[in-house]
Amino acid sequence: GAVVSQHPSRVICKSGTSVKIECRSLDFQATTMFWYRQFPKQSLMLMATSNEGSKATYEQGVEKDKFLINHASLTLSTLTVTSAHPEDSSFYICSAREGTSGTSYEQYFGPGTRLTVT
Amino acid sequence: GENVEQHPSTLSVQEGDSAVIKCTYSDSASNYFPWYKQELGKGPQLIIDIRSNVGEKKDQRIAVTLNKTAKHFSLHITETQPEDSAVYFCAASKGGSYIPTFGRGTSLIVHP
Repeated sequence: GAVVSQHPSRVICKSGTSVKIECRSLDFQATTMFWYRQFPKQSLMLMATSNEGSKATYEQGVEKDKFLINHASLTLSTLTVTSAHPEDSSFYICSAREGTSGTSYEQYFGPGTRLTVT
Repeated sequence: GENVEQHPSTLSVQEGDSAVIKCTYSDSASNYFPWYKQELGKGPQLIIDIRSNVGEKKDQRIAVTLNKTAKHFSLHITETQPEDSAVYFCAASKGGSYIPTFGRGTSLIVHP
């Protein structure tokens, strides 16, 4: 149980284009989903937290107009990198949590998406 | 905000040896401490967690200990195997949002 999938696993796009990454909870309903960015040999950097049906909460320094997050259902969240540039190249990882924050602690991570902007 | 320090950054052991990774946290209100294993090119996987009302938790070859007074917690892996080689992250979070703050990771290398 507690499986989170991401699609695509790898994507290469040209500078200036937009890329959408999907995150799905396969066997549970995810009230809250998180999006992280990870640079090589570094820790996970939280970008934003999204609750189903409401606007995402972005961490300081993360451009919400560049990284669009939608959490339209209890099993799907999407991250769209708009007008991508080479510096956006990174490993993007989502995670999902079941239930409300008062009843569930565990986060389950997706396998990650490697984005390369050329 | 919370600050989590993790040591060592790299740990190299021989197969069969034990491995210990240590973390400290700054916010005394933190009460949930998960540990994640991340293999190359994959997302982190929750391997064990502990809550502040417990001092120790074991699951087969892995165990986690928590010292609330000293604000530190540790991951212990016994009888290490080459497949234990990965990056391990500790994290700390507290009630309300339970959004974790991660340590910087420990690269564990188990030599056969």
